[in-house]
Amino acid sequence: LAKTTQPISMDSYEGQEVNITCSHNNIATNDYITWYQQFPSQGPRFIIQGYKTKVTNEVASLFIPADRKSSTLSLPRVSLSDTAVYYCLVGPHGAAGNKLTFGGGTRVLVKP
Amino acid sequence: SAVISQKPSRDICQRGTSLTIQCQVDSQVTMMFWYRQQPGQSLTLIATANQGSEATYESGFVIDKFPISRPNLTFSTLTVSNMSPEDSSIYLCSVEVVSKNTEAFFGQGTRLTVV
Repeated sequence: LAKTTQPISMDSYEGQEVNITCSHNNIATNDYITWYQQFPSQGPRFIIQGYKTKVTNEVASLFIPADRKSSTLSLPRVSLSDTAVYYCLVGPHGAAGNKLTFGGGTRVLVKP
Repeated sequence: SAVISQKPSRDICQRGTSLTIQCQVDSQVTMMFWYRQQPGQSLTLIATANQGSEATYESGFVIDKFPISRPNLTFSTLTVSNMSPEDSSIYLCSVEVVSKNTEAFFGQGTRLTVV
């Protein structure tokens, strides 16, 4: 599985946009990029998944350049409740049973 | 989607004893995964639980220490055996669902403290 690299932590303020970039230089052709969010004392929760260009849902946007060696998770107008650890993972799509390899994650602190 | 229930949610155990963690899923899934998350750290995969066969363990984890059962497609248990304080962690059960996305669902975790 491709290794990912993310910043260890980021601070932001309520109402701002938070962008977290993940590097995955060895991403394979059939790998998708998936982001998870984890609050304290909870298991990770799926946020968004994409293969190329841009994906947007009600929670976030995911930007993937043409070479797919990196991706950026964008959280619009964050609130205090967005304080969490965000994990970037890469792996095949449609392969239930695919083992997930979690990197260190990015600890996002949203301040009032 | 999938809803996962884990029991117990937390426990404090004496060293040398064993604890069995239960994981129940609300739908049938082929594979279930067990992770460990040490304090302040990321998740590390312990093993993949396959129904009808022995679990597949990751490097650094062995069956004698973390025996796993998978009696059916909705249930699995992980036992942490002969515990030491180094086993104090959060243990999480997970399944994957493939639809529009390939999405992993996690239980709330079991917070284990060994004293």
